[in-house]
Amino acid sequence: ETAVFQTPNYHVTQVGNEVSFNCKQTLGHDTMYWYKQDSKKLLKIMFSYNNKQLIVNETVPRRFSPQSSDKAHLNLRIKSVEPEDSAVYLCASSRDRKNTLYFGAGTRLSVL
Amino acid sequence: AQSVDQPDAHVTLSEGASLELRCSYSYSAAPYLFWYVQYPGQSLQFLLKYITGDTVVKGTKGFEAEFRKSNSSFNLKKSPAHWSDSAKYFCALEGGGGTGSKLSFGKGAKLTVSP
Repeated sequence: ETAVFQTPNYHVTQVGNEVSFNCKQTLGHDTMYWYKQDSKKLLKIMFSYNNKQLIVNETVPRRFSPQSSDKAHLNLRIKSVEPEDSAVYLCASSRDRKNTLYFGAGTRLSVL
Repeated sequence: AQSVDQPDAHVTLSEGASLELRCSYSYSAAPYLFWYVQYPGQSLQFLLKYITGDTVVKGTKGFEAEFRKSNSSFNLKKSPAHWSDSAKYFCALEGGGGTGSKLSFGKGAKLTVSP
C-alpha cells in the first residue's frame, strides 16, 4: 500500500542547476522526513518536520532547503546541485517518534 | 551521541538455515529500536520495533528480534530463512529526545539466501 508519494521518480540534471522534489503523505501523520541514500545504500537523515515546523536539521549544505505548506507535504529544493548530490532521496512520515516510518519510493537524482 | 553498528555487511545462507543479523547500538538513554528491510529496487519497509516491555518482539514476515540491554544489542532472527528474504536489512535507533525525531540507521546488512 503506497501512502507516501514522491515525484519525480528520476531526475537527471547538470551541475549548478536547481531541482525540487515533492512529497505528499495521505496517512494523516504529523511528522515527515527527508533521508539521503547514497550509492553504498547508506541512509542519513537530512530534515525532520513536525506539523509544518522544522525540528531536525542535520548538517547538510546550505543549498538544500526543505519546504512544508502543510503537514501532509514536505518538499526539498536543491539550489545549485553538485556531483556529490547524486543519490536517492527518500521521503518518509510517521505519527511520532515511537512509530513506524512509512517511506516513499524515492527520487533518484543524477548530477552530470 | 547515538550510533548504530551492523558489523556484518554481507551474510550468505542456504534456504532453510537460521538467520541472525547483528545490531549493536550506543545511546545514553532508553532507545527505541527498529528493523527495516529494503528489497532490490524498492524502498524501505518496516519489520519490527522495540519500544518498551517484552524484550523479544515479533514482526512481519516471520521475523523477530531480541533487545538485550546488557550488551546493547538488537539482533534480528528468522528460522527457517527463505530465498525471498534476500534483501538489505537496516537496524535503526530513535534517540532524538524531546520533540525532535532523529532515526539513525546502521550501514545495513545485505542478506543473500540461496535456494
